[in-house]
Amino acid sequence: QSALTQPASVSGSPGLSITISCTGTSSDVGGYNYVSWYQQRPGTAPKLMIYDVSNRPSGVSNRFSGSKSGNTASLTISGLQAEDEADYYCNSFTSSNTWVFGGGTKLTVL
Amino acid sequence: EVQLVESGGGLEQPGGSLRLSCAISGFIFSSHGMSWVRQAPGKGLEWISYISPSGSTIYYADSVKGRFTISRDNARNSVSLQMNSLRAEDTAVYYCARRVPYYNYMDVWGRGTTVTVSS
Repeated sequence: QSALTQPASVSGSPGLSITISCTGTSSDVGGYNYVSWYQQRPGTAPKLMIYDVSNRPSGVSNRFSGSKSGNTASLTISGLQAEDEADYYCNSFTSSNTWVFGGGTKLTVL
Repeated sequence: EVQLVESGGGLEQPGGSLRLSCAISGFIFSSHGMSWVRQAPGKGLEWISYISPSGSTIYYADSVKGRFTISRDNARNSVSLQMNSLRAEDTAVYYCARRVPYYNYMDVWGRGTTVTVSS
C-alpha cells in the first residue's frame, strides 16, 4: 500500500493555471476510474473537489478539473485565485478493496 | 445538516489503548460505508480502515492491521475505532469520513480528533 506520488509543491500566479499530477500503479490509479481529489486548508478537514477522475461535486467551482492517463491522474486549477492556496491530495480505490492517498501537494498562489 | 463528529482522542502511553467514536447525524447512516483516515503532524492523509453499511465487510491498512478494530452501531448512528498497542507513530488527527453508496470516494468528513501517543 505505497502512497501515490504527488509533487511536494506547485505554485502559480493569480489568473493562470496549474496542474498537479498523481502517479500510481495499475493496481490503483491505472486500474480504476476511482480517483478523487481533496483540498485541505490548514487546521481544517479535507474537502472533496473531484471524484471518479473528472466529476465535480455540487458547489465546487468549474475552475477545478480532473483527468487521467494510464497510471497518472491530474488535477488542473484554472484562473488561480488566492483562496485556492491549500494542500491537495489525490486518492484512489485499489485492487485490495482499500484506498490510498497521495503524499499531498502544497499549492502556493504567488 | 449532514454532520460527523469525532471524539475520544487524547494522550496515551505507548502500548496503551484508546477508543475513538464518530457520531453521525443528518443522513441515513445505515446506507453508508464509513472510513477512518488519519493525518500525522505535518504529514499527509493516510486511509486506515473501512466498514460497510451492514458492518459485514471490513478492511484495514497494513499499518494498523491486528491492532485497530473498526465497528459500527446503526441503531445509535455511530462508528468506532478501537486502537490497541498504540505506538508513537499512531500520533495523528483521526477523521471519520462517509463513503457514497455504490461509489468509491468519501464525500463528507468530520473535523477530527487528536491522538497523541507519548510517554
